[in-house]
Amino acid sequence: DTGVSQDPRHKITKRGQNVTFRCDPISEHNRLYWYRQTLGQGPEFLTYFQNEAQLEKSRLLSDRFSAERPKGSFSTLEIQRTEQGDSAMYLCASSLIQGHEQFFGPGTRLTVL
Amino acid sequence: EDQVTQSPEALRLQEGESSSLNCSYTVSGLRGLFWYRQDPGKGPEFLFTLYSAGEEKEKERLKATLTKKESFLHITAPKPEDSATYLCAVGTASKLTFGTGTRLQVTL
Repeated sequence: DTGVSQDPRHKITKRGQNVTFRCDPISEHNRLYWYRQTLGQGPEFLTYFQNEAQLEKSRLLSDRFSAERPKGSFSTLEIQRTEQGDSAMYLCASSLIQGHEQFFGPGTRLTVL
Repeated sequence: EDQVTQSPEALRLQEGESSSLNCSYTVSGLRGLFWYRQDPGKGPEFLFTLYSAGEEKEKERLKATLTKKESFLHITAPKPEDSATYLCAVGTASKLTFGTGTRLQVTL
């Protein structure tokens, strides 16, 4: 399968714990995006990378959130000191260049107890 | 601020009953209007990109059209397997901005 993959698919954690998610984009795509989706809402942009450079971060991305894309391949999204409001589906997408369609992974469902 | 509004929020159709979903938008620097399908618990699945007013694209029972302020997703003779949430998004240089989607249910 050559689509976008995400790991884990589900994560349950206690409030205050740190969690890390991984995204592997489509191999030839140089852009990688993170979105967050809550029930009944569309995905909301968090941040994006072009190759290894993080070029934009949403104001939704508090200082508890950090994302990396070392070597311009896979990306990780870490949430420190999780809060119940962080419970959501975290989606990763990749694309060739700006303005082109973004292909999404299956998402990581985070539940903070 | 970029804004996308989709209507209706939910739509229930009988198999074979055609209808249209609406997506109205305001955006600075449009780099494409995108339609996605999302099944429960899954990531959005890409359907169409439209770049300029007057453009149309078709795929099986779906046809997407674009004007300067709106896009429509026409569903012709839907089947139960077309049941899903349909998301519209505007693309800019850095990101997609999504609407809240239309939940479509097609019954026998």
